[in-house]
Amino acid sequence: DGGITQSPKYLFRKEGQNVTLSCEQNLNHDAMYWYRQDPGQGLRLIYYSQIVNDFQKGDIAEGYSVSREKKESFPLTVTSAQKNPTAFYLCASSPGLIRLAGYNEQFFGPGTRLTVL
Amino acid sequence: AQSVTQLGSHVSVSEGALVLLRCNYSSSVPPYLFWYVQYPNQGLQLLLKYTSAATLVKGINGFEAEFKKSETSFHLTKPSAHMSDAAEYFCAVSDRGGSQGNLIFGKGTKLSVKP
Repeated sequence: DGGITQSPKYLFRKEGQNVTLSCEQNLNHDAMYWYRQDPGQGLRLIYYSQIVNDFQKGDIAEGYSVSREKKESFPLTVTSAQKNPTAFYLCASSPGLIRLAGYNEQFFGPGTRLTVL
Repeated sequence: AQSVTQLGSHVSVSEGALVLLRCNYSSSVPPYLFWYVQYPNQGLQLLLKYTSAATLVKGINGFEAEFKKSETSFHLTKPSAHMSDAAEYFCAVSDRGGSQGNLIFGKGTKLSVKP
């Protein structure tokens, strides 16, 4: 079954800790995305990657870092510099620019809920 | 710059009643438009998309949406609400390659269905 997996489902972080959220896809998609979701604010783009070994900042990248060493994996690290990290984090993928057939439909993982203790 | 406005953060309907969730967009070029649904503590699932073929788009679970260029709208409807439709709904817009096809999401509308 093709899809996107995120782990863990729930994550607790102490003040000052870095934590890494996992995102893996087996859809053979080129592009991957990380979003942050807070109640009443919709989805805000943190980082995105159109191709392996390349990524760009989204609207709210401060306090976050990513890597894209493999096509199927796009981990997100929430650093201690992120002052208010408690949120629901969603990973998505899409076929990407290289295969862009006119539009860029995104497919979402189940999410990780991060709570700061 | 593109943007999406969803009118009403909460909508409540009775089971069997019409569902109407409003979405207006702003785009300097013909857009692609999407509706996604999110159940509690889950990811987003695509309901339907407009990609300039037909202006009336049918999606899953009996939902449909009509693209109206003159009104810059893409409202989501369902003739008869079911209890299982209770969820949060997001409208999203994508340009045609200018911003690498990234989606811009509205703030969401939470739909409640009363028995």
